[in-house]
Amino acid sequence: AQSVTQLDSQVPVFEEAPVELRCNYSSSVSVYLFWYVQYPNQGLQLLLKYLSGSTLVKGINGFEAEFNKSQTSFHLRKPSVHISDTAEYFCAVHYGGSQGNLIFGKGTKLSVKP
Amino acid sequence: KAGVTQTPRYLIKTRGQQVTLSCSPISGHRSVSWYQQTPGQGLQFLFEYFSETQRNKGNFPGRFSGRQFSNSRSEMNVSTLELGDSALYLCASSLEAGLSYEQYFGPGTRLTVT
Repeated sequence: AQSVTQLDSQVPVFEEAPVELRCNYSSSVSVYLFWYVQYPNQGLQLLLKYLSGSTLVKGINGFEAEFNKSQTSFHLRKPSVHISDTAEYFCAVHYGGSQGNLIFGKGTKLSVKP
Repeated sequence: KAGVTQTPRYLIKTRGQQVTLSCSPISGHRSVSWYQQTPGQGLQFLFEYFSETQRNKGNFPGRFSGRQFSNSRSEMNVSTLELGDSALYLCASSLEAGLSYEQYFGPGTRLTVT
């Protein structure tokens, strides 16, 4: 079955430190990849997406992600985090086809400490 | 421009009852998708509507249904509620159907079934 795995359920990090949130998906011929962020009591907000083209994708709030087809990964990175980045982050994958839908990972809670 | 609005924000129902949730998309958006978010299962796709037609459906029982009106507003209905239906129900709208168009999420309706 098609799946998305976010390897860390919680990631604590100090302010201004770099962070990487990991996401792996089950192999498929064509995939579209997304990262969303959810702040407490709010809906999801799109951080970035990969549909095609350059494998390094830059998003909002200084985040970027790299699509690695051979590793079936789409890890999210930020070189220096802020307290305001504390939130839950979701990786989502669309397994191709016009009638497919998004499959989400279970989420990673990023906690930025001063 | 106003964002996606969902009503009500909180709802408490009894097992066996039915419930209707409402979603008003961003003005001009024609596609509406619904998701269920629970601690155990995470985020799961329910269905997508575009131009009053269900375009895509997730793997949920027939107790879950939806519709879209000519003004793009959407409702979802859950009949014969079960305890496991307790969840945050998120609605997302996009300009058109398809992954090239960013989905904008509402704050969700938190349904508690007792």
